[in-house]
Amino acid sequence: EVQLVESGGGVVQPGGSLRLTCAASGFTFSTYNMNWVRQAPGKGLEWVSFISPGINTIFYADSVKGRFTISRDDAKNSLYLQMNSLRAEDTAVYYCARQGWTLDRPDDAFDIWGQGTMVTVSS
Amino acid sequence: DIQMTQSPSTLSASVGDRVTVTCRASESINSWLAWYQQKPGKPPKLLIYKASTLESGVPSRFSGSGSGTEFTLTISSLQPDDFATYYCQQYNSYWTFGQGTKVEIK
Repeated sequence: EVQLVESGGGVVQPGGSLRLTCAASGFTFSTYNMNWVRQAPGKGLEWVSFISPGINTIFYADSVKGRFTISRDDAKNSLYLQMNSLRAEDTAVYYCARQGWTLDRPDDAFDIWGQGTMVTVSS
Repeated sequence: DIQMTQSPSTLSASVGDRVTVTCRASESINSWLAWYQQKPGKPPKLLIYKASTLESGVPSRFSGSGSGTEFTLTISSLQPDDFATYYCQQYNSYWTFGQGTKVEIK
């Protein structure tokens, strides 16, 4: 079964740090573009960060640039998000999501999502 | 940055109704648009990609159309399982979501 499972969320004080992990299974993780997307309580979806296979390309939303770092370990089938200098407005459910591009299906929509992990930034 | 604007924000409808949600991009995104369905406490689910291609396993009552800057998601006959929030997403230049359209029971 194709699956993404996030972990590492929790409650952290403003200015603190947290590292999220997304464990992938059921597909060849190393060949897929991966993303983090977040959703503040009662709000819509916000794209956070992108990483390509081989870590050749990385992008960040302006709202997290300079504070968050995306990475991956293809040997461990894992995606990470290191979050530093956290602010109250970073409070959200964080999802990892796969871009489903293949030769048979050449499209970059987000076809697989994890269940999400909650990050709460509060004093 | 490309902005995505959905309308309406909330839609009240009954089972069996034909429902249409509109998504407008601030500049042309060709056909690089996806639609997602999200239910409370669950992650988004991909329904349609490349503006009009139905994702595998998605019921045929869902359809998408449009290109350039104007797009629509149509549910031909609303079913009880379809009451949810729907998001459009552009992936022509980075990734941006619309603000969502909640489809609620009338």
